[in-house]
Amino acid sequence: EVQLVQSGAELKKPGESLRISCEASGYSFTTYWIGWVRQMPGKGLEWMGNILPRDSDTRYSPSLLGQVTISVDKSISTAYLQWRSLKASDTAMYYCARVRSYSDSNGYPQPYYFDYWGQGTLVTVSS
Amino acid sequence: EIVLTQSPGTPSLSPGERATLSCRASQSVRSGFLAWYQQKPGQAPRLLIYDASSRATGIPDRFSGSGSGTDFTLTISRLEPEDFAVYYCHQYATSPWTFGQGTKVEIK
Repeated sequence: EVQLVQSGAELKKPGESLRISCEASGYSFTTYWIGWVRQMPGKGLEWMGNILPRDSDTRYSPSLLGQVTISVDKSISTAYLQWRSLKASDTAMYYCARVRSYSDSNGYPQPYYFDYWGQGTLVTVSS
Repeated sequence: EIVLTQSPGTPSLSPGERATLSCRASQSVRSGFLAWYQQKPGQAPRLLIYDASSRATGIPDRFSGSGSGTDFTLTISRLEPEDFAVYYCHQYATSPWTFGQGTKVEIK
């Protein structure tokens, strides 16, 4: 059974750093992309970026480039979303999701669509 | 960036009725790379439809998707009580990936 289990809720102050995690199980971690999606309070879904664990190929949303870092630790089948300096506007629910892939003309797996989602991690940034 | 606009905003429907949700893209969505997700309060989104019309594993056949180019539709043939939720369309054809603003299907 595919499962994505995210780390618990966080309460942080502006300027603090944070790393949240997403542990995958039930499938081959390195062969599927992992994506991160933000949902601000009472709002819709916003794609943040995707990473392919086998080679750490990472694609970011242009609006968030430089604001967050997406990474993985293949040895423990875990993906991470990291901030160096949080702002109040980072307050949101953050979801990780497995991304299906398709092979391009070079045989490289390209990200396709989200199929399984984690339960979400609520990040609150407040002074 | 492809902007997805969903309509209607908040339809009020009764159980047993048909729901027709629309998603219009600001430019053509290549290869029909469009998905629909359902989200209930306090829960993560759930994949319903991918590639515009393919039902995800375990999704009841009352859910169907159609469309191509810039116009896509999610149809729920007969609403069940558990179907009252927010529905999002999502395009994964072109980076940055984008979502519609959501349609909340309310109980009448």
